[in-house]
Amino acid sequence: AQTVTQSQPEMSVQEAETVTLSCTYDTSESDYYLFWYKQPPSRQMILVIRQEAYKQQNATENRFSVNFQKAAKSFSLKISDSQLGDAAMYFCAYRRAGGTSYGKLTFGQGTILTVHP
Amino acid sequence: GAGVSQTPSNKVTEKGKYVELRCDPISGHTALYWYRQSLGQGPEFLIYFQGTGAADDSGLPNDRFFAVRPEGSVSTLKIQRTERGDSAVYLCASSPSGGRDKYFGPGTRLTVT
Repeated sequence: AQTVTQSQPEMSVQEAETVTLSCTYDTSESDYYLFWYKQPPSRQMILVIRQEAYKQQNATENRFSVNFQKAAKSFSLKISDSQLGDAAMYFCAYRRAGGTSYGKLTFGQGTILTVHP
Repeated sequence: GAGVSQTPSNKVTEKGKYVELRCDPISGHTALYWYRQSLGQGPEFLIYFQGTGAADDSGLPNDRFFAVRPEGSVSTLKIQRTERGDSAVYLCASSPSGGRDKYFGPGTRLTVT
């Protein structure tokens, strides 16, 4: 079974600074997707960034980028120029690329990010 | 366009009662997912529909939980004989067929007293 682990229950950052959230996962699959989701107090899960395992290049979306280390099964999220609106719970998630359960996302426990003005 | 909507936003019920939670996916999305999120935890998969049929219901915790999607659009999650341990936020998501990305609704917070 796939597992996703976020070892940082809470992180904090000063506005305009950079912060990195950690995630490790365990799988025997070779092809899969990894995601970072943001969940503000409104509860709505918002997709931040996606990485396909077959791509060696790290994904970037504006101020958000990932460091994907496939051999180490590590997938960290870097937020640059942090803004007050980035404050939320962040979840790392895994999904198989195929097979009967490919629709299922497996989430980590989450990291609460606080942004200080 | 409209996103995924879920009703009610909050539901308080007494132990032993029956509840129904509704999810309206994005129009045209053939895949629909239910997740349960306990306080301070990540969401846990419950069930996944492709069209009208349940493609994977391996996450349903027991036979008190049941979900339907009779016309391939709206889905209802049904919980019988609710227990205090069922208290959680129930999230629904949808995606186009084969779509990588899922679009989540705001969830229903269920409280069983």
